[in-house]
Amino acid sequence: DGGITQSPKYLFRKEGQNVTLSCEQNLNHDAMYWYRQDPGQGLRLIYYSQIVNDFQKGDIAEGYSVSREKKESFPLTVTSAQKNPTAFYLCASSFNRGRSYEQYFGPGTRLTVT
Amino acid sequence: GDSVTQMEGPVTLSEEAFLTINCTYTATGYPSLFWYVQYPGEGLQLLLKATKADDKGSNKGFEATYRKETTSFHLEKGSVQVSDSAVYFCALLHNFGNEKLTFGTGTRLTIIP
Repeated sequence: DGGITQSPKYLFRKEGQNVTLSCEQNLNHDAMYWYRQDPGQGLRLIYYSQIVNDFQKGDIAEGYSVSREKKESFPLTVTSAQKNPTAFYLCASSFNRGRSYEQYFGPGTRLTVT
Repeated sequence: GDSVTQMEGPVTLSEEAFLTINCTYTATGYPSLFWYVQYPGEGLQLLLKATKADDKGSNKGFEATYRKETTSFHLEKGSVQVSDSAVYFCALLHNFGNEKLTFGTGTRLTIIP
């Protein structure tokens, strides 16, 4: 079955540690995205990538980094510079052509930093 | 810039009641509009979409019509079920090179038997 996988589902880290969240898709989508969701808020875009080896900052990129070495993979690193990293992180992907650019989402990773 | 405004929740309804969740947007041009649903502890699933004015998106008994004159995309369902309990997000996407979805803050819906 085609889809987007994120691992792990729950992640716990101590303050000051970097942590990498995994996102893999087998939908042959060109573009991939990382969003952050906080309670009672909509989703906010962290980074996105339209093609391999290229990515752009979203609205809240500070304290995060990404790489896009393969079409299928778009890992997100939450660095110690991120002031409030505890959140639910969602990865998404879409085609880059066609009118609707419909985005498909993974199941999410809930990160808790103490 | 683009923005999406949804009715504030939480919304609580009895089973078989009629549902409306309001969504209005601010954007230049002709964006595509989407409704996503998020069940507890899960990611978002696309519920329905509309890509041009007067289009009606529909899925699983839910409907929404793209109204450019009122910049709205209200979600409706004639008879809700307990299994519809979730958080619903309205979102817009421009069709000319900007692939970023702009989301509303979400509306939590609870259906009681």
